[in-house]
Amino acid sequence: SAVISQKPSRDICQRGTSLTIQCQVDSQVTMMFWYRQQPGQSLTLIATANQGSEATYESGFVIDKFPISRPNLTFSTLTVSNMSPEDSSIYLCSVVTFGGEKLFFGSGTQLSVL
Amino acid sequence: DAKTTQPPSMDCAEGRAANLPCNHSTISGNEYVYWYRQIHSQGPQYIIHGLKNNETNEMASLIITEDRKSSTLILPHATLRDTAVYYCIVRPTSGTYKYIFGTGTRLKVLA
Repeated sequence: SAVISQKPSRDICQRGTSLTIQCQVDSQVTMMFWYRQQPGQSLTLIATANQGSEATYESGFVIDKFPISRPNLTFSTLTVSNMSPEDSSIYLCSVVTFGGEKLFFGSGTQLSVL
Repeated sequence: DAKTTQPPSMDCAEGRAANLPCNHSTISGNEYVYWYRQIHSQGPQYIIHGLKNNETNEMASLIITEDRKSSTLILPHATLRDTAVYYCIVRPTSGTYKYIFGTGTRLKVLA
């Protein structure tokens, strides 16, 4: 298993600003993903965070809007840039451990944009 | 796009078995069926997964039809704490660990 800490747990931001969300795992993991969950909706995969290289984005998500870093095997950040009220969502970090196949999730970051 | 379809909502009486269906008619031979659940305001939690055979663990049982085009998650004795959104996901056995979530089933366990 993996213990995942996300910071901040929630934030209220003004439109036009940016927020960086941190994801810290208690052990090295092979895969790290970022999901978005809009109010009342299911989870949508934003991107796969690749260690030492550019993230792999899903259709509809671009690096300029959601830059992602993954400097090592335990840490990743997601930035939500130039925010608008439509970005109000829960953002979730998830991981797959070495030798495992299950997906583990952090508790998420509740973002509200005014 | 998600490769599964699930009913949007279900109710179940406390103490009774909850049977949650999932259709995955386009599943291929090298794809697992995974089940996760999300209790309000928390990250999704793994429940169970299977390939061909039925599976059981301390949380639930997974019944996969012989043609693998559908499956049923069974919570044998539902409690109020099982109220959650349940997601059925199809994922390749190798090559990618991307999990694509569908709309899920909102299960409400009634006292």
